[in-house]
Amino acid sequence: DAKTTQPNSMESNEEEPVHLPCNHSTISGTDYIHWYRQLPSQGPEYVIHGLTSNVNNRMASLAIAEDRKSSTLILHRATLRDAAVYYCILRDVLGYGGSQGNLIFGKGTKLSVKP
Amino acid sequence: GAGVSQSPSNKVTEKGKDVELRCDPISGHTALYWYRQSLGQGLEFLIYFQGNSAPDKSGLPSDRFSAERTGGSVSTLTIQRTQQEDSAVYLCASSLIQRGGYTFGSGTRLTVV
Repeated sequence: DAKTTQPNSMESNEEEPVHLPCNHSTISGTDYIHWYRQLPSQGPEYVIHGLTSNVNNRMASLAIAEDRKSSTLILHRATLRDAAVYYCILRDVLGYGGSQGNLIFGKGTKLSVKP
Repeated sequence: GAGVSQSPSNKVTEKGKDVELRCDPISGHTALYWYRQSLGQGLEFLIYFQGNSAPDKSGLPSDRFSAERTGGSVSTLTIQRTQQEDSAVYLCASSLIQRGGYTFGSGTRLTVV
């Protein structure tokens, strides 16, 4: 299965933008890039996903490199509530591969937000 | 229901006892997943259901772990003869289809003493 690499931790100031990077140099043509986050003492929650084009939703934006070997999750204005572990996950759109298209979580990036 | 419901939210059990953890997925979601998360660790995939069938049991750590799903809805994860290393938060998720976005429950915190 294609793997992702994320920094272990990042810090941000409240109300400033945050750019969370993810490297996935072995991504295949049928892999979607998914982002989930896990707030303290909660289960993970879906943030955003994309294939090739940049994506925006009410929570965040996803910028995907032209060669798809990296992507960046952008939180436009960090709040204290955004402090969480952010997971970048590749998921085969066809449901093939060793994981059968199931989400396989890595260690993620722990984001701290300072007031 | 509106979300994925797991019960109990907390369970303390003695080593060697059996435990059952329950997951009520979102109504109509055909796919259901179990994960566990040990303290300070990432999520470990355990098992996946499509309807009542489990095409992927690859993550179950030992034969003490089993899971079933009935009526395409409620799922139960059973751990027999619990050990201290089974202590973790057990998370359930469901999705409308197998390749859809996941909605997670809040988990069951299992402590084996």
